[in-house]
Amino acid sequence: EAGVVQSPRYKIIEKKQPVAFWCNPISGHNTLYWYLQNLGQGPELLIRYENEEAVDDSQLPKDRFSAERLKGVDSTLKIQPAELGDSAVYLCASSSGTSRDTQYFGPGTRLTVL
Amino acid sequence: GENVEQHPSTLSVQEGDSAVIKCTYSDSASNYFPWYKQELGKGSQLIIDIRSNVGEKKDQRIAVTLNKTAKHFSLHITETQPEDSAVYFCAASRDYNQGGKLIFGQGTELSVKP
Repeated sequence: EAGVVQSPRYKIIEKKQPVAFWCNPISGHNTLYWYLQNLGQGPELLIRYENEEAVDDSQLPKDRFSAERLKGVDSTLKIQPAELGDSAVYLCASSSGTSRDTQYFGPGTRLTVL
Repeated sequence: GENVEQHPSTLSVQEGDSAVIKCTYSDSASNYFPWYKQELGKGSQLIIDIRSNVGEKKDQRIAVTLNKTAKHFSLHITETQPEDSAVYFCAASRDYNQGGKLIFGQGTELSVKP
């Protein structure tokens, strides 16, 4: 079984530029999560999707961050415009309907904003 | 808000020794406690988890103990091997239907010296 796929793995941009991250969850997993992980810290939830519905986006900075999961499978997280403080690893995770607690993580996208 | 404290932040052991990582959580409604192993270039791998109705769980060289009264749980790795070297994260969450957001600790960098 393929794991959670994320791309790109690394991204370097200049501040004020837009950036997008893509995630393909494990096949059949209805729940998808985006996390932010700063250096030396644990991941922090940005948004949780149940199929195509964002059921928890309370931690998503909506002034510059947006996310979508149009068909309830793949998801895209966007930042526009990026700031220096957005440099971090962006992680995607998914879980199935039968074991929603258990989250499987992708390798992450390491973003560097210059 | 919910908080998970993890100690130590770094841990160095000799191959064959045991390693123990401890976490405390603040939300008394938490009832699911996973542990993740994070290696450079790889996703965070779920290595073991425990639910609040169980006090201890073992899987080969790895065990987790939970003390709900004291709100702390620990990861125990016996007979450590160099390939156990990684960053380990604990997390806590409520039932998925109560929000189910994983709150992570700050991570422990484990180094196993041959």
